[in-house]
Amino acid sequence: QQPVQSPQAVILREGEDAVINCSSSKALYSVHWYRQKHGEAPVFLMILLKGGEQKGHDKISASFNEKKQQSSLYLTASQLSYSGTYFCGTEKRVGDKVIFGPGTSLSVIP
Amino acid sequence: SAVISQKPSRDICQRGTSLTIQCQVDSQVTMMFWYRQQPGQSLTLIATANQGSEATYESGFVIDKFPISRPNLTFSTLTVSNMSPEDSSIYLCSVEGEALGGGSPGELFFGEGSRLTVL
Repeated sequence: QQPVQSPQAVILREGEDAVINCSSSKALYSVHWYRQKHGEAPVFLMILLKGGEQKGHDKISASFNEKKQQSSLYLTASQLSYSGTYFCGTEKRVGDKVIFGPGTSLSVIP
Repeated sequence: SAVISQKPSRDICQRGTSLTIQCQVDSQVTMMFWYRQQPGQSLTLIATANQGSEATYESGFVIDKFPISRPNLTFSTLTVSNMSPEDSSIYLCSVEGEALGGGSPGELFFGEGSRLTVL
């Protein structure tokens, strides 16, 4: 079952913050986050495992609330290079296939 | 990180024809995954290709329509058969980063994709 992402699209000015949410109706083992720039392959950002993890690198971080079956991706002080479509992917069990959400289009403008 | 090469990068095909997409990985991997990304849509897993066994197809995808070969540990092909305009998509090959020895557990590396347009 495909996870739900919100918002569908967001436009930011450089330096602004954004939050992208991913939720599932099923219990989750892990949540993955990928970014895909137009015309390019998706690129892995991070994976969060159940246990209430929070992760981050640079100004992009994420949290995973397994009880609520939700994950949020936080982009702070956005840069032009953050533009792209962000996909969350969910796994119900270890080694299960990853099911991707519909994506959130993020545009950062000067 | 892995180098995953796909050919062709794009093609325009006529209805009713078939096209084979190639995926070459620069390391030996057990599993290779084929995804479809319809215009403006998400990534949908078509099948998992293991070397030495039949591919495992996801619900909604069948071998007659999407035959897959996996002749060795670095190569796979996906054929889109008897194409219709609804098959116009980007087809992506993917491998697990951990299998390559450099990625994080669970990380997927994707090829650049093959963009097919069916007229």
